[in-house]
Amino acid sequence: NAGVTQTPKFRILKIGQSMTLQCTQDMNHNYMYWYRQDPGMGLKLIYYSVGAGITDKGEVPNGYNVSRSTTEDFPLRLELAAPSQTSVYFCASSRQGLSGNTIYFGEGSWLTVV
Amino acid sequence: AQSVTQLGSHVSVSEGALVLLRCNYSSSVPPYLFWYVQYPNQGLQLLLKYTSAATLVKGINGFEAEFKKSETSFHLTKPSAHMSDAAEYFCAVSLNSGGSNYKLTFGKGTLLTVNP
Repeated sequence: NAGVTQTPKFRILKIGQSMTLQCTQDMNHNYMYWYRQDPGMGLKLIYYSVGAGITDKGEVPNGYNVSRSTTEDFPLRLELAAPSQTSVYFCASSRQGLSGNTIYFGEGSWLTVV
Repeated sequence: AQSVTQLGSHVSVSEGALVLLRCNYSSSVPPYLFWYVQYPNQGLQLLLKYTSAATLVKGINGFEAEFKKSETSFHLTKPSAHMSDAAEYFCAVSLNSGGSNYKLTFGKGTLLTVNP
């Protein structure tokens, strides 16, 4: 009963370092998403993917990259980490576009850049 | 384009009292509307959703919401608050159209505290 699984749960990065947040889902969903959540700001869409091999930018893509080589996996790469990227990151998936379909969230990854 | 406004970043109620969390939306086409709940240090869980069927939507844990097109509102209610309802609640909207239906726009959230 895994659903959407994210790793790591917590990470501290130094300014300028790089890292990858891993995300995998076992529901055979076509759509996958990465959001960031900042206090009092709700969730902002970073990148999304409508299927393997297809990705596109959301509202706040700068400083991030993604890939979607398989249906299950959607890693988020942070290059040259900056303090502004301190946030909670959520991966999510849905069977197809959101037209009423439920979006399922992972439990989040807390990232601090110092 | 779509947007969501949640009125009140923090709502406090007594146990057993009515819970009312307000959400107003803006959308250029008929919307799909959602309420999500987030417990501390956890991901978001769907409470309920409106997808152009019945305007009164019932969700989990005794919550319900009513879609009012004339007021562009989708307020969340529960008749009697329980301590376990303490969490942050997010209203969200997506467009009921083929082109942009990937995008879920969230409100800024309302933190609900329940006092004994």
